[in-house]
Amino acid sequence: AQKITQTQPGMFVQEKEAVTLDCTYDTSDQSYGLFWYKQPSSGEMIFLIYQGSYDEQNATEGRYSLNFQKARKSANLVISASQLGDSAMYFCGGTDKLIFGTGTRLQVFP
Amino acid sequence: DAMVIQNPRYQVTQFGKPVTLSCSQTLNHNVMYWYQQKSSQAPKLLFHYYDKDFNNEADTPDNFQSRRPNTSFCFLDIRSPGLGDAAMYLCATSGDLAKNIQYFGAGTRLSVL
Repeated sequence: AQKITQTQPGMFVQEKEAVTLDCTYDTSDQSYGLFWYKQPSSGEMIFLIYQGSYDEQNATEGRYSLNFQKARKSANLVISASQLGDSAMYFCGGTDKLIFGTGTRLQVFP
Repeated sequence: DAMVIQNPRYQVTQFGKPVTLSCSQTLNHNVMYWYQQKSSQAPKLLFHYYDKDFNNEADTPDNFQSRRPNTSFCFLDIRSPGLGDAAMYLCATSGDLAKNIQYFGAGTRLSVL
C-alpha cells in the first residue's frame, strides 16, 4: 500500500509569487499515480493535477505543475503566480484507493 | 453544473438516531466512494462501490453502511450515530480506473447532538 507524507502543515506566500508544496510517497507498486487536490474552506475537494509513474514529463495544468522526482519519491506541487483565491488546504494523494497525506494549509497574502 | 451532488449540505441528528446521507452523480461513473473527514484531518475512505460490488475498508465501523440502488445514487447510513461520528462526509466518483481520478461532491457536514 502507498504511504503519502506532507511535512508542511502550513505555508505562506505573497500574491503573485510561486510556492512549492512538498509531498513524498512510499510504494512498492511499479505503476502508480499521484495527484493533488485543493480543499477551500467550503469543504469540496477540487482535483488539480495528476502524474503517472510512467509519464516522462512533469504534469502541468495552468498555474499548477507537478515536480515529479521518481528517484526521490517526491511529487511536489508548484503553484505559480499565487492568487488570493489559492488560499486553501492542499492534499497530495496516491492512486492506491486515493490515500491522502495530512495536508498543507496555504495562505496567500497581498 | 454540479456533477456530484450531496444532500443535505448540513445535517443535524441526535445521538443514536439513524441518519442517511445521499449522493448522486450525473457522470455515469462506475465507482462511488464515501469518505469521512474530521476537523484538520485528511479524508478517510470508508467504502466504495464498483458498480454493485461493495468494498468495505477493514477499519470502517459496522455502524456505517451503504446502499447503491443504481448507478446514479449512493447512500451512507449511520445506524446509531455517536458524538465521534460528527464530521464532514464526502462522496466521490471515478470513471477512469487507470488513473482513478475522483470527482467530489461538496460534502455533508454532520453534527451529532
